[in-house]
Amino acid sequence: DGGITQSPKYLFRKEGQNVTLSCEQNLNHDAMYWYRQDPGQGLRLIYYSQIVNDFQKGDIAEGYSVSREKKESFPLTVTSAQKNPTAFYLCASSGGSSSYSNQPQHFGDGTRLSIL
Amino acid sequence: AQSVTQPDIHITVSEGASLELRCNYSYGATPYLFWYVQSPGQGLQLLLKYFSGDTLVQGIKGFEAEFKRSQSSFNLRKPSVHWSDAAEYFCAVGAGSGGGADGLTFGKGTHLIIQP
Repeated sequence: DGGITQSPKYLFRKEGQNVTLSCEQNLNHDAMYWYRQDPGQGLRLIYYSQIVNDFQKGDIAEGYSVSREKKESFPLTVTSAQKNPTAFYLCASSGGSSSYSNQPQHFGDGTRLSIL
Repeated sequence: AQSVTQPDIHITVSEGASLELRCNYSYGATPYLFWYVQSPGQGLQLLLKYFSGDTLVQGIKGFEAEFKRSQSSFNLRKPSVHWSDAAEYFCAVGAGSGGGADGLTFGKGTHLIIQP
């Protein structure tokens, strides 16, 4: 079955360390997204990519970095510059990257990041 | 910039009773609207979407939503809830001209509790 795989499900980081969250999709979707979810805050957009080798900052990109070297993969690195990284991170993808695609986003099951 | 308001943080409904979850949006152009549901520790599942056309849209699991432009609302309804409907519900609006191609803006969510 096609879907979005996020790994690991739980991740722990020490202060000052960078950590990378994995997101892989086999839906042949062009666009991919990273969101951060905090209790009572809904989801906020970190980064998105509509095509390989290109990505855009979302609303809360500071302290995060991404890459899009392959269509299927969109890893997120939480750097030491992110002062409050503890959160639930969700990856999503959608079928179109053009302005006329109007495709809904499909979500992975998330990665919960905690600081030791 | 677009925004989404879900006025009710928590709603408690008896099993078998009807349900309405409120969503108001702010967006300067034609909105692309979504309702997602999230079970604890899981990703988001799309319930339904509105892009254009008929303002009453049907979704999965017996849910429907009505787009009312004059009220900037997109309320979610279900005629008879089941205990399995207990979850967090998110309303979202698509950013940019691509129906969400530039990412989604989410409300803070409504936590639905089902009483036996």
